[in-house]
Amino acid sequence: DAGVIQSPRHEVTEMGQEVTLRCKPISGHNSLFWYRQTMMRGLELLIYFNNNVPIDDSGMPEDRFSAKMPNASFSTLKIQPSEPRDSAVYFCASTPGRRTEAFFGQGTRLTVV
Amino acid sequence: AQSVTQLDSQVPVFEEAPVELRCNYSSSVSVYLFWYVQYPNQGLQLLLKYLSGSTLVKGINGFEAEFNKSQTSFHLRKPSVHISDTAEYFCAVSDRGGGSEKLVFGKGTKLTVNP
Repeated sequence: DAGVIQSPRHEVTEMGQEVTLRCKPISGHNSLFWYRQTMMRGLELLIYFNNNVPIDDSGMPEDRFSAKMPNASFSTLKIQPSEPRDSAVYFCASTPGRRTEAFFGQGTRLTVV
Repeated sequence: AQSVTQLDSQVPVFEEAPVELRCNYSSSVSVYLFWYVQYPNQGLQLLLKYLSGSTLVKGINGFEAEFNKSQTSFHLRKPSVHISDTAEYFCAVSDRGGGSEKLVFGKGTKLTVNP
């Protein structure tokens, strides 16, 4: 398997623009997580899905952030409108179940100028 | 709610020296515990995990960790480090029971191995 695939790897956008980050989990994994990594706050869980259903979105910073998982092989994280403080590395991870580790993608480095 | 504290944000060591990276967790339920490593500009990779059984867990690259329930700790150790071990290390916890399966991370420890 190719692992968790995220796109794009790098994104530079202007403040106010819409940004969409994409994730393809490992086939057969039923849980998917979106994390944000910054120097100040470390790794924060934004939202996680189980069987395509959002289970916990308490980490989503505000209404500007939204996430969807329309099917088992694809998820998106959207920021609209983007702000400079959204600049971070965003990771997607998937897992086949509770007793196993999460497998991480390479991340998307987002810069909002 | 669960939380993880990594007591050292940075640990510098010399090559071939032993190292211990400390991790303490807080949880009202039984947990699974994990250590991940992150090399520059990469995602996180699993080093080792504790699910049940023996409290001493061995992982990749010669790392091991010991689960201590009474001290709620899961410290990571390696008897002799290499330059290539320079990376950031993250401790993580998840709920063992029927609750949320989300993985909560500590803030990380940057290990720098000097020649």
